[in-house]
Amino acid sequence: NAGVTQTPKFRVLKTGQSMTLLCAQDMNHEYMYWYRQDPGMGLRLIHYSVGEGTTAKGEVPDGYNVSRLKKQNFLLGLESAAPSQTSVYFCASSRQGDYQPQHFGDGTRLSIL
Amino acid sequence: GQQVMQIPQYQHVQEGEDFTTYCNSSTTLSNIQWYKQRPGGHPVFLIQLVKSGEVKKQKRLTFQFGEAKKNSSLHITATQTTDVGTYFCAGPTGSGGSNYKLTFGKGTLLTVNP
Repeated sequence: NAGVTQTPKFRVLKTGQSMTLLCAQDMNHEYMYWYRQDPGMGLRLIHYSVGEGTTAKGEVPDGYNVSRLKKQNFLLGLESAAPSQTSVYFCASSRQGDYQPQHFGDGTRLSIL
Repeated sequence: GQQVMQIPQYQHVQEGEDFTTYCNSSTTLSNIQWYKQRPGGHPVFLIQLVKSGEVKKQKRLTFQFGEAKKNSSLHITATQTTDVGTYFCAGPTGSGGSNYKLTFGKGTLLTVNP
């Protein structure tokens, strides 16, 4: 099993451009998450989903949109990229229920110029 | 909102020395999870603690959950270069059973001098 797969791994954008980050998991997990990681800031939750067709805002949702049309996929969109969105983005998934560990993808390193 | 604080932010040790990182929450936690992230890698789940006063061991790593379930620690005995990385604690966010969302501490970066 591949686990959690993120594409692309690296990307450079210009301010104002849009893009979509893709996350796919093959573990049949109900829950999926998008985090951003900045130096000294730990992991901050952007959006999450508790099932196909449902999404919810996390701690830092502004400037991002998400969709979960299929259970195995969770897409993160940047509508109009800003330099403040330069970060490493991690997707994670977990089983349904309390106290479940999260499984992370390898991350997408995104630079906005 | 809930905060999870971790100290120290950085720790540099000589190989063979011990290492401890501490995690403190502003609220009582139903459980706490620990993750390790190698340089350039992604967070990997290490362990979960649920019971008050719980102690779990994984080889040279010892994890503790405080009696009040508001603090936790990770202790590594006789560090090795393979222990290098950032260690994060994470507690469930919110109330009403939202235990599927986690608030991560900012992590402790451990470097080991061989």
